[in-house]
Amino acid sequence: GQQVMQIPQYQHVQEGEDFTTYCNSSTTLSNIQWYKQRPGGHPVFLIQLVKSGEVKKQKRLTFQFGEAKKNSSLHITATQTTDVGTYFCAGQRDSNYQLIWGAGTKLIIKP
Amino acid sequence: EAGVVQSPRYKIIEKKQPVAFWCNPISGHNTLYWYLQNLGQGPELLIRYENEEAVDDSQLPKDRFSAERLKGVDSTLKIQPAELGDSAVYLCASSLGRQVNEQFFGPGTRLTVL
Repeated sequence: GQQVMQIPQYQHVQEGEDFTTYCNSSTTLSNIQWYKQRPGGHPVFLIQLVKSGEVKKQKRLTFQFGEAKKNSSLHITATQTTDVGTYFCAGQRDSNYQLIWGAGTKLIIKP
Repeated sequence: EAGVVQSPRYKIIEKKQPVAFWCNPISGHNTLYWYLQNLGQGPELLIRYENEEAVDDSQLPKDRFSAERLKGVDSTLKIQPAELGDSAVYLCASSLGRQVNEQFFGPGTRLTVL
């Protein structure tokens, strides 16, 4: 069945270092969404990408959608303690509007 | 504006007992989702409603799980009987419609089956 693979599972960084998480789908997506889940919290919507090759920025966060609409990435520049949490991608197909979620990448700031 | 409301927040039951979760979505949101989330994993869709119609329940274990959204507003998810493996967080989310994709999640119900 359709899968969205997300890597890495964890990323440990020093505060101020960059962070990147990647998602790859086995099939073409109509759009991809990104969510952030703080420890003990629930997923919170960050952004949706729809167009092939689309790049969107939110302050220190940069989101990209691949040309083939099968992969996406989230890059955080100069991480801060407030960035701690798990970042999920979720891809959607046109055919049934179902969201397929990645397993998430947990951002951990080293003490 | 009130967010998605779920109750209870926590539930501890013994195996083979029934349990029910309740969700009230954001007003005006036609699409409602029930997800299951295990520790360290992404949400897994159990069922999706468009108004009162269940349009995607392919992942719902129908032998023990049931859900309803009678008036197209709030919804309940039931498990009967619960098994040890059902311990997880059950998340409810809503969106304006299936083509308006931003999903708003409730705080979830953490179920522990002993």
